[in-house]
Amino acid sequence: DAGITQSPRYKITETGRQVTLMCHQTWSHSYMFWYRQDLGHGLRLIYYSAAADITDKGEVPDGYVVSRSKTENFPLTLESATRSQTSVYFCASSTGLQETQYFGPGTRLLVL
Amino acid sequence: AQTVTQSQPEMSVQEAETVTLSCTYDTSESNYYLFWYKQPPSRQMILVIRQEAYKQQNATENRFSVNFQKAAKSFSLKISDSQLGDTAMYFCAFMKTPNAGNMLTFGGGTRLMVKP
Repeated sequence: DAGITQSPRYKITETGRQVTLMCHQTWSHSYMFWYRQDLGHGLRLIYYSAAADITDKGEVPDGYVVSRSKTENFPLTLESATRSQTSVYFCASSTGLQETQYFGPGTRLLVL
Repeated sequence: AQTVTQSQPEMSVQEAETVTLSCTYDTSESNYYLFWYKQPPSRQMILVIRQEAYKQQNATENRFSVNFQKAAKSFSLKISDSQLGDTAMYFCAFMKTPNAGNMLTFGGGTRLMVKP
């Protein structure tokens, strides 16, 4: 029972590079989410998806791109990484609008 | 927009004792959902307890219970018989009704240390 997984768990990159963070869930949950967690800010929603090919912006979407070609995958791409994107990124999924979100283990990203 | 406030950045409690973490929120919605998540040093977010606003009865999960005061917009978490494994960051979170996009809004967190 893999649940929800994220890869890589740790990533170091340089300013200006493209980085893709992967999220995979085995529950066939309709909804998937990307959050970033920074000190003093708690978790903030970047993007979410209600189903395959349906995505929408969250609170802090600038500098990020998402796609959802398959229900089980929800990759997050930083097209040109900046130092301000150094953070811990969490993916989550849920079965429905009012249902509990289940989180992945997180990806720690450092942009030099 | 909704806001969630956790006024206690850090707390500590002796093992086996009881501790209460505070959370207040601001919303104009009448129906919504509230959550407490635990984040241990491993950084994974783990659901502790959930409360639907339309339910008057406070949610309980084993040693964890909430005091939900809708009129006061307060949602505190009580941990009874604290254990060393309860040491973690605790986040209170708010979710609007289904038609509003199912977004979780998190508080800033409370770091709880359980001392032996």
